[in-house]
Amino acid sequence: AAGVIQSPRHLIKEKRETATLKCYPIPRHDTVYWYQQGPGQDPQFLISFYEKMQSDKGSIPDRFSAQQFSDYHSELNMSSLELGDSALYFCASSLALRGLAADNEQFFGPGTRLTVL
Amino acid sequence: SQQGEEDPQALSIQEGENATMNCSYKTSINNLQWYRQNSGRGLVHLILIRSNEREKHSGRLRVTLDTSKKSSSLLITASRAADTASYFCATDAQGTYKYIFGTGTRLKVLA
Repeated sequence: AAGVIQSPRHLIKEKRETATLKCYPIPRHDTVYWYQQGPGQDPQFLISFYEKMQSDKGSIPDRFSAQQFSDYHSELNMSSLELGDSALYFCASSLALRGLAADNEQFFGPGTRLTVL
Repeated sequence: SQQGEEDPQALSIQEGENATMNCSYKTSINNLQWYRQNSGRGLVHLILIRSNEREKHSGRLRVTLDTSKKSSSLLITASRAADTASYFCATDAQGTYKYIFGTGTRLKVLA
């Protein structure tokens, strides 16, 4: 079965540079979520999109922005990178079926490991 | 904050033994999910349990949910060395579709 695809898998950037992470959800999933996991930490929710609209916002820095496109893929844009942004960035997708008794079962991609030097 | 806490933080057992991990959370939820993560790797979805369910099984995994106590447990029976990983619970608060992760339990199964 198709899974969530993230690209790139690894990314190395210098401080103050920008980075764009991409996420391709499982086909027919309408909701995308972004999480950040620092070394030795639990994943922290950043932001989510449902049907191309932002649905929930977590601890996402103002330097980061994200969007979901008409084909449901999503991009996380990160500017003015800092050393502390080095982390694993996960994307997850689900079929939210809002208004119905839905599972909202989230499936995660393999993650993008961002290293800021 | 809705962040869950997991207990124990670390667990070391012998192969063949059962492993039990607990998760507590703070607010009313729609669903609770358990994930497994090998060191530095992706999150693997194990089980989702809805707020109106009390117990769910999948292979060697058994998950219970007690919404009155705002807690869940994950039981791995007949553990194997390959079960060595971190296990996280994640909950979505009612009215939201974001999941908040617990702090995780690091399980080590000794061969």
